[in-house]
Formats: sequence, C-alpha cells, structure tokens
Amino acid sequence: DQQVKQNSPSLSVQEGRISILNCDYTNSMFDYFLWYKKYPAEGPTFLISISSIKDKNEDGRFTVFLNKSAKHLSLHIVPSQPGDSAVYFCAATHTTSGTYKYIFGTGTRLKVLA
Amino acid sequence: DVKVTQSSRYLVKRTGEKVFLECVQDMDHENMFWYRQDPGLGLRLIYFSYDVKMKEKGDIPEGYSVSREKKERFSLILESASTNQTSMYLCASSGGGGGVREQYFGPGTRLTVT
Repeated sequence: DQQVKQNSPSLSVQEGRISILNCDYTNSMFDYFLWYKKYPAEGPTFLISISSIKDKNEDGRFTVFLNKSAKHLSLHIVPSQPGDSAVYFCAATHTTSGTYKYIFGTGTRLKVLA
Repeated sequence: DVKVTQSSRYLVKRTGEKVFLECVQDMDHENMFWYRQDPGLGLRLIYFSYDVKMKEKGDIPEGYSVSREKKERFSLILESASTNQTSMYLCASSGGGGGVREQYFGPGTRLTVT
C-alpha cells in the first residue's frame, strides 16, 4: 500500500521556467512533510519541509504547498536551473511509538534543459 | 554541519556471505535509519533505532538485522547475502526533538551480491 505517491517518474523543464513536482498521500495521520533532492551516487539532501498546520513554506527559489483536504503537496522551483537536475523525493512523517516514521515516495527525476 | 558517514561506497560480495554495513553520525541524534533504494521503488525502510540498543522493524526487514551499541553508530547486517539484496543502501539520522524532523543521509553504499 503506497501511502505516499509521486505519479510522475520524470519531468523536463526549460531553464528559467517553473518546475512543479507533485506528491499525494493517503494517511491523514501524517503531520509533517519533507522534500529531498538526490544526485546520482550521493545520499538525499534535505531541501524544504512543511508542517500540516501550514499551507505554504518558502525558502529562496523553493516553495512547498500543502493542500490537506486534497492530501496533496507540491514543490515549486522558480526559476529552474540546470543544477536542479536531480531526483526529488517527497516524504511524510507521523509519530509512532514515540518516534517519527518516514514514508517516502518513489521519486521524480527532474531534468532542467539549458 | 551534520555528518553521516558510511563505511564503504562500493561493496561486492558473494551469495551466502555475511555482510556488515556501518554508519556513524556526529550530531548526537537519537534516531537512526537504514533504507535501501531501488529504481522505481523509492526509499524503503529496513530498520530504525530510536535509542541505543533499541530497534524497530521497518517495511522490509527480512534477511537483515541491525545493531546499535553506541548512540553514534548503527550497523546493518545481511546474515546471508542474496542477489536480491543488490541495492543502494542509505543510512540516515535525525534529532527527533523540538519538532525537528529532517533526516540527514550518508552518501550510500552500493552493494552488489554475485
């Protein structure tokens, strides 16, 4: 049962344009969401997060939007740069047994074309 | 800067061998995690630990065990390696307190079982 879904395996965007990566979840217990970026042969690096009490969080070129009623979040990158080309994972967490359990999506490969 | 290190970047082992993957973090984090990453499947949780000597099974614990004797170190053990355990293995840690939930990942170990 895939509780966190990234339905687009890949996305290509022109440099300077907006990249929008989407993520859907099914478990209403999730109360915190994160985006990670992964380059080949490296571990994922944390990008941006959002608590379920908010609907938007912004950090420079990156903005995450959360729509709780639709159980949907999205990551916007504006403007997109070639260095943003990577695999992006969304993750959702909730507390279990006093600690946090993380569920990851399957990733979206973003390619920013120069 | 949080640093998570993994003992090897690349490993080649034979079927039936016992394999040890080690992970060390330097931020005094309570929580540590082992994931494997496979194409199209995202990151899947194998085991996690929220304290020394404590461990919990993740989504795919079969064929694996873990050890956490010291807070900074979390080991993943493949009792008898099989070809279907060929994968990228990622270790992560998180602070677990004060609402901070970001996980910090190591660079990964690419394990090939022949």
